[in-house]
Amino acid sequence: KQEVTQIPAALSVPEGENLVLNCSFTDSAIYNLQWFRQDPGKGLTSLLLIQSSQREQTSGRLNASLDKSSGRSTLYIAASQPGDSATYLCAVRSMNYGGSQGNLIFGKGTKLSVKP
Amino acid sequence: DVKVTQSSRYLVKRTGEKVFLECVQDMDHENMFWYRQDPGLGLRLIYFSYDVKMKEKGDIPEGYSVSREKKERFSLILESASTNQTSMYLCASSYWAAGGGEQFFGPGTRLTVL
Repeated sequence: KQEVTQIPAALSVPEGENLVLNCSFTDSAIYNLQWFRQDPGKGLTSLLLIQSSQREQTSGRLNASLDKSSGRSTLYIAASQPGDSATYLCAVRSMNYGGSQGNLIFGKGTKLSVKP
Repeated sequence: DVKVTQSSRYLVKRTGEKVFLECVQDMDHENMFWYRQDPGLGLRLIYFSYDVKMKEKGDIPEGYSVSREKKERFSLILESASTNQTSMYLCASSYWAAGGGEQFFGPGTRLTVL
């Protein structure tokens, strides 16, 4: 069964620092991977979707990479700001579980705190 | 912008009550999902739907049912609420695409069962 792990569980950095959040998954047979942001008590906001055929996606200060063969994705945040403080979740859509339209399997997230 | 709305942000119910959580999306998405989120357990899929009147069980369907009578609306029903169903409930929708489309989430409903 697909498992998704995010390390570290929490991260605190000073404002302006570039940082990398990690996501690993056990089964490389995936359709795509999606990164989300969640503010306390709120729903999830989609940040980036990477298809299995892609190596990376960029949106503003965010860059997500995917290495399917090694079961890893990273989310790079450039020039971090206090407003980036949130929990970041990655999720994969597995070919061997849930069907092509279905289940995202989520990691437990990395809680990021950016200090002014 | 994709808009997924949920009927309540906070809800307090008593044990044994029948509870309805409503979700509406305005982007003509084919797929809709209900998750619950608990500390330490993360997000878990309860039910999903690929089309009107169609439903599929997720990882934790016990104690829940769903209804999708219209494409834009997906309802989660707790037939007889119990305290272990106290949780954050999140609805999501996505377009149909080869390999699955991007999922968009609503703001969540924090349900407390007393």
